[in-house]
Amino acid sequence: EAAVTQSPRNKVAVTGGKVTLSCNQTNNHNNMYWYRQDTGHGLRLIHYSYGAGSTEKGDIPDGYKASRPSQENFSLILELATPSQTSVYFCASGDAKTANSDYTFGSGTRLLVI
Amino acid sequence: GEQVEQRPPHLSVREGDSAFITCTYTDPNSYYFFWYKQEPGASLQLLMKVFSSTEINEGQGFTVLLNKKDTRLSLNLTAAHPGDSAAYFCAAGTGGYKVVFGSGTRLLVSP
Repeated sequence: EAAVTQSPRNKVAVTGGKVTLSCNQTNNHNNMYWYRQDTGHGLRLIHYSYGAGSTEKGDIPDGYKASRPSQENFSLILELATPSQTSVYFCASGDAKTANSDYTFGSGTRLLVI
Repeated sequence: GEQVEQRPPHLSVREGDSAFITCTYTDPNSYYFFWYKQEPGASLQLLMKVFSSTEINEGQGFTVLLNKKDTRLSLNLTAAHPGDSAAYFCAAGTGGYKVVFGSGTRLLVSP
């Protein structure tokens, strides 16, 4: 079954440390997305990608980098983690062949930066 | 760019009552919309996808209404039951590579 898998499920990081969140999809979708979810803000788009080698800034990219080394994998990188980046992060994939494609979401990563 | 305002942020109803959630979007060119359901601790699951060509969309136990004139999308859970307790998110798209999500509504259905 096609799926979006995120790792780790939970992560505790220290301020100033580097954090990498990973996402793998078996949907063969071109588009992938990273969101963070905070109470009162819903889902906010951090970075997205049109395909392997592409990364684009979303609405709140500051403090984050992204990497799309292959069709299946899309990583979110926090080079210098800060407590304000404590959140739940969701990865999603979407089919670029249809402009109105819905998204398939991963199970989320809970990140705590102390 | 597109903005989506979702109300209310929290909603508590009794089992058997209706639960009504509304999203107002700003871009009149939006032509497809989603409702997602997120159960506690879980990911988002697609509830329904609607297009601007259809104003009334019936699902199992719920109805999605689209008012293009007022740029408003609504979700009405009829005869809610405790299993409907979850967070609900709307989203609007204009045909680009990304959609814009509302801030969510946390619904609690008590017996």
